[in-house]
Amino acid sequence: QSALTQPASVSGSPGQSITISCTGTSSDIGGYNLVSWYRHYPGKAPQLIFYQDTKRPSGISNRFSVSKSGNTASLTISGLQAEDEADYFCCSFASSTWVFGGGTKLTVL
Amino acid sequence: QVQLQESGPGLAKPSETLSLICTVSHGSIRSKYWSWLRQPPGKGLEWIGHIFYTGTSNYNPSLKSRVTMSVDTSQNQFSLRLTSVTAADTAVYYCARTDILSGSFDFWGRGTPVTVSS
Repeated sequence: QSALTQPASVSGSPGQSITISCTGTSSDIGGYNLVSWYRHYPGKAPQLIFYQDTKRPSGISNRFSVSKSGNTASLTISGLQAEDEADYFCCSFASSTWVFGGGTKLTVL
Repeated sequence: QVQLQESGPGLAKPSETLSLICTVSHGSIRSKYWSWLRQPPGKGLEWIGHIFYTGTSNYNPSLKSRVTMSVDTSQNQFSLRLTSVTAADTAVYYCARTDILSGSFDFWGRGTPVTVSS
């Protein structure tokens, strides 16, 4: 069982929006402004898409947005495109270590 | 763009030591921290630990007694040794560059699968 809780799967049609939640505790998500999100195409290297809760690396589409409230962080993808189909996982710093969510498989219908 | 590539045996026997190497290209290892992570089948990622190019390291308390990391700046590589492996250590192992200040992993390798079995 992962330290952070994500839904195993979400789906949406092209053009729609989806949101992936990531729930932790006050010892990780709620205790630090150090949540990061990653996109992972199977067989490829995972890619950082957000860091420090809300910062987006250069080259990441602004169709991706994030929010955080208490011990829960959320990733929203708007205007879904076929290329968004991938696994997404969250991560948070937690004291002297890092903890991860189990990952969410996004299917674009 | 920095690239990372994991290498090592894909199979280890119970009680043996697992050794993996991560080769960094298109960037110097002489900056940032460098981490090892793993993902057991059907489970989420687990951070194993990280090492700075000077050799300073920090390990996940759950694995600390069995983990050693080292760095070879001349080869632009860093490595992982995990002793006394069991089936529970079966996983895809990733190396990644770690940005300590932002608490994130900004470049990753593709991962290498390791199976522990007799």
